[in-house]
Amino acid sequence: EIVLTQSPDFQSVTPKEKVTITCRASQNIGTTLHWYQQKPDQPPKLLIKYASQSFSGVPSRFSGSGSGTDFTLTINSLEAEDAATYFCHQSGTLPLTFGGGTKVEIK
Amino acid sequence: QVQLQESGPGLVQPSQTLSLTCTVSGASIGDVGYYWSWIRKPAGSGLEWIGRIYTSGSTNYNPSLESRVTILQDKSKNQFSLKLSSVTAADTAVYYCAREHWGVDYWGQGTLVTVSS
Repeated sequence: EIVLTQSPDFQSVTPKEKVTITCRASQNIGTTLHWYQQKPDQPPKLLIKYASQSFSGVPSRFSGSGSGTDFTLTINSLEAEDAATYFCHQSGTLPLTFGGGTKVEIK
Repeated sequence: QVQLQESGPGLVQPSQTLSLTCTVSGASIGDVGYYWSWIRKPAGSGLEWIGRIYTSGSTNYNPSLESRVTILQDKSKNQFSLKLSSVTAADTAVYYCAREHWGVDYWGQGTLVTVSS
């Protein structure tokens, strides 16, 4: 199965700062990589589909890039409401797999 | 707006079968182009994809669980279901039902299932 490795595991950030989270796939997955945000006791929310396409209703400060094995989620000008865990997910090869998550804390 | 809601027992005894149902509103599980999936998250661990069903009834399962998993659909009720047999404490998790289209675009709220005697 394809293993997705995220870094960092945890990030403490001040508001308005830029956040960068990376996701590395163990094999080439093209652009079949998606990013989610999850807050405590809530289901995940899709932010970015197919590596760089924003999902409907997602604020423009969230963006994604990459292809093949290396992907990045960027949050420009972090807001307090962005405190959450972010994780990546690949849908190109069965079984579908998820990254371990990156917890973003607001300082 | 697409909504999914899990239902089923919150406590299952070891060696028994875990059974959950997902009720879908705002969309039809008969719609072409969508998979209807089960995903779980054990406490302290990452998300694990369990499996999915397509409108044709075809299924895909995670090989790590395939021998114990069955996913079925009931189009008349717009529901799909999960059965996981021979459960152990390791199956304790929040279980989500979800729709796959481009990634997983809609999720249920999740339901905690605890395996304990």
